[in-house]
Amino acid sequence: NAGVTQTPKFQVLKTGQSMTLQCAQDMNHEYMSWYRQDPGMGLRLIHYSVGAGITDQGEVPNGYNVSRSTTEDFPLRLLSAAPSQTSVYFCASSYSRVEKEKLFFGSGTQLSVL
Amino acid sequence: AQSVTQLGSHVSVSEGALVLLRCNYSSSVPPYLFWYVQYPNQGLQLLLKYTTGATLVKGINGFEAEFKKSETSFHLTKPSAHMSDAAEYFCAVSGTGTASKLTFGTGTRLQVTL
Repeated sequence: NAGVTQTPKFQVLKTGQSMTLQCAQDMNHEYMSWYRQDPGMGLRLIHYSVGAGITDQGEVPNGYNVSRSTTEDFPLRLLSAAPSQTSVYFCASSYSRVEKEKLFFGSGTQLSVL
Repeated sequence: AQSVTQLGSHVSVSEGALVLLRCNYSSSVPPYLFWYVQYPNQGLQLLLKYTTGATLVKGINGFEAEFKKSETSFHLTKPSAHMSDAAEYFCAVSGTGTASKLTFGTGTRLQVTL
């Protein structure tokens, strides 16, 4: 059982470049979310989804887009990367929106924007 | 509105000593409270959670936490630290509704020394 898989593990971008962070889970979880982790700031919610075809904004959505075409996948897109988006990104999933706090996390993507 | 304050960004204990990580919360509704642990280069894992009922909650790896409403606290303890407990620990709070969000604290890094 792979759980939550994130790719890539590391990425360096130049300002203005675009990229997609991939997230896939094989637990048939209804709820998926993206967080960014910055030193001294804990984890902040970027976007989340309560099921295929349904997404919503979290605390810090600006500069990021998401879509949820299948239950398994929840990619995060940076359309025009900025240095302020340098961070560690975590994808997480949960069995349902009721149990959304019992999150299963991926191992993270470390992103540097130069 | 809800928030979490973790007192002490770094805590160092000797192996075999008591572990005490402090967490205070603010919430306008009855809270759900959580502790997550992050080992190096990994995603977060749920350690324990309080929703309703018994205020003393036991988690994995010998950790426990007590919900004290009068003190708005949810401190994490372990009677005897082990080297493998070295990690970063995050307290988090959520409301009880399905639309509520999970808010993380800034984390406490636990160091265990010989």
